[in-house]
Amino acid sequence: GAVVSQHPSRVICKSGTSVKIECRSLDFQATTMFWYRQFPKQSLMLMATSNEGSKATYEQGVEKDKFLINHASLTLSTLTVTSAHPEDSSFYICSARSASGGTPYEQYFGPGTRLTVT
Amino acid sequence: QKEVEQDPGPLSVPEGAIVSLNCTYSNSAFQYFMWYRQYSRKGPELLMYTYSSGNKEDGRFTAQVDKSSKYISLFIRDSQPSDSATYLCAMSETSGSRLTFGEGTQLTVNP
Repeated sequence: GAVVSQHPSRVICKSGTSVKIECRSLDFQATTMFWYRQFPKQSLMLMATSNEGSKATYEQGVEKDKFLINHASLTLSTLTVTSAHPEDSSFYICSARSASGGTPYEQYFGPGTRLTVT
Repeated sequence: QKEVEQDPGPLSVPEGAIVSLNCTYSNSAFQYFMWYRQYSRKGPELLMYTYSSGNKEDGRFTAQVDKSSKYISLFIRDSQPSDSATYLCAMSETSGSRLTFGEGTQLTVNP
């Protein structure tokens, strides 16, 4: 149980275009989803927290107009990187916490999406 | 100063060795401590978790937390080549708060 999927697993786009990444909880309802970014040989940096039906909360330094997050249902959150630039190339990972998940351990990670902007 | 410090390695050991991975932290409000394993180009998977101080054992893995020293450890006994991965420590203050990750230690277990 507690499976989180991401789509696509890998995407290459041209500078200036927008890319949408989907995060789905497959066998549980996720009231909260998190989006992280990970650069090579670096740790996961939290970008934003999204709760179903409400606006996402962005971490300091993360441009909310550039990284659009939509958590429209209890099983789906999307991250759209708008007007992507090469410096946005990174590994994007989502995680999801269930409605009944009362501890930090109960945060399940997706397999990640590697974005390359050319 | 980072809230969580972790030696990035790389760490290379022979098969069967005991591996010790460590993190230090500065935020005394952290109460929940986790260790994640991340294979190359994959998402992290939860290995071990502890609440507050103490030890926890699960098979070949032992997690230790010393809140007085703000120091946590993960021990891997009888290490296997399949243990080769990056190990990330993570911490949070409360059950609903964000996770703060260490940089990750890259481990290679050589057959």
